[in-house]
Amino acid sequence: DQQVKQNSPSLSVQEGRISILNCDYTNSMFDYFLWYKKYPAEGPTFLISISSIKDKNEDGRFTVFLNKSAKHLSLHIVPSQPGDSAVYFCAASDENGAYKYIFGTGTRLKVLA
Amino acid sequence: DAGVTQSPTHLIKTRGQHVTLRCSPISGHKSVSWYQQVLGQGPQFIFQYYEKEERGRGNFPDRFSARQFPNYSSELNVNALLLGDSALYLCASSAPREQYFGPGTRLTVT
Repeated sequence: DQQVKQNSPSLSVQEGRISILNCDYTNSMFDYFLWYKKYPAEGPTFLISISSIKDKNEDGRFTVFLNKSAKHLSLHIVPSQPGDSAVYFCAASDENGAYKYIFGTGTRLKVLA
Repeated sequence: DAGVTQSPTHLIKTRGQHVTLRCSPISGHKSVSWYQQVLGQGPQFIFQYYEKEERGRGNFPDRFSARQFPNYSSELNVNALLLGDSALYLCASSAPREQYFGPGTRLTVT
């Protein structure tokens, strides 16, 4: 049972435009969410997080939106840059981020120059 | 300030052998988690250790074990290796609401 789903395996976006990566979850007990970026042969790099008490968190070009009623979160990257090309994972925790995270299967983003 | 370090970077083992992977967390972090990532999937939770105690275990067989030392570094041990254990093994260093990954150990079982 996949509790965290990233239904788009890949996404291509033109440089300078907005990238929107989506993530859905099924467990209503999840209360903390993270986004990671991963390059080949490297460990995931933390990007941004959001607690379930918020519906938006912003850090520079990255904004995460959380819709608890829909059990959906999204990562917006504006403007997209070629260096953003990587695999993006969302992850969810049900103990306010103090315990294990359940990861989605990832979305490969390609930003075209 | 050093990030999460893992050793070795790459490892090739034969079926049936045993392997030990090592991790040092970020200074000040008392929790270490281990994840397995196979191609095309997200990281799968194996263990979490906090203050040298096992806090949680994922759905992995008993061939997988781990421990945490007084300096908060950790080892992941896998016995009786199978071809399906070939994966990237990630160590994550955690504080509340923070989790940072190391570069991983690429294990190939032949």
